[in-house]
Amino acid sequence: KQEVTQIPAALSVPEGENLVLNCSFTDSAIYNLQWFRQDPGKGLTSLLLIQSSQREQTSGRLNASLDKSSGRSTLYIAASQPGDSATYLCAVNWGTNAGKSTFGDGTTLTVKP
Amino acid sequence: DAGVTQSPTHLIKTRGQQVTLRCSPKSGHDTVSWYQQALGQGPQFIFQYYEEEERQRGNFPDRFSGHQFPNYSSELNVNALLLGDSALYLCASSFDFDRSGNTIYFGEGSWLTVV
Repeated sequence: KQEVTQIPAALSVPEGENLVLNCSFTDSAIYNLQWFRQDPGKGLTSLLLIQSSQREQTSGRLNASLDKSSGRSTLYIAASQPGDSATYLCAVNWGTNAGKSTFGDGTTLTVKP
Repeated sequence: DAGVTQSPTHLIKTRGQQVTLRCSPKSGHDTVSWYQQALGQGPQFIFQYYEEEERQRGNFPDRFSGHQFPNYSSELNVNALLLGDSALYLCASSFDFDRSGNTIYFGEGSWLTVV
């Protein structure tokens, strides 16, 4: 069964700290992997998309890496800010169908001033 | 450029009733997918519409049905509502297979409470 796991479920860090969020997936034959941010009671905002042929993607203070052989992706956030507080979700596509993704349950990040 | 829009944003229904949720995809997108997100969990794929047909379906009962219109907008219908149907319903739009990096875009969701 194709599953996505995110550990820990919650993480609290002081402002300014660099941090890593983890995403694990079964079945290494992925098509792509996407990281999302979700604020309380809101929809999902796309952060980064990594194709299966790529090792990493960067956007501002965010860097996502992909290691298919180990079934893992990480989202690195540099110099965290209170505005980064949100739930971060990892979604994996195992086929070319862009809309059918399997999500983890997310990691809720709190950045304390 | 309008993003994905959903309506209504919040609604309360009674067990056994029926509900219809609506979604307009991002401009230019032709594929609409629906997800259910229970509190504290990740979204779960319900089904996807392309060219006005249901193309793929997740593990949801037939009480969940949908429709796509010629302008690519979509509706999600849920019949015989159960308390367990209370969730955030998310609409996602994208291009058809293997275009534009396959990024998917989500709306703000419709919060459904069944009492």
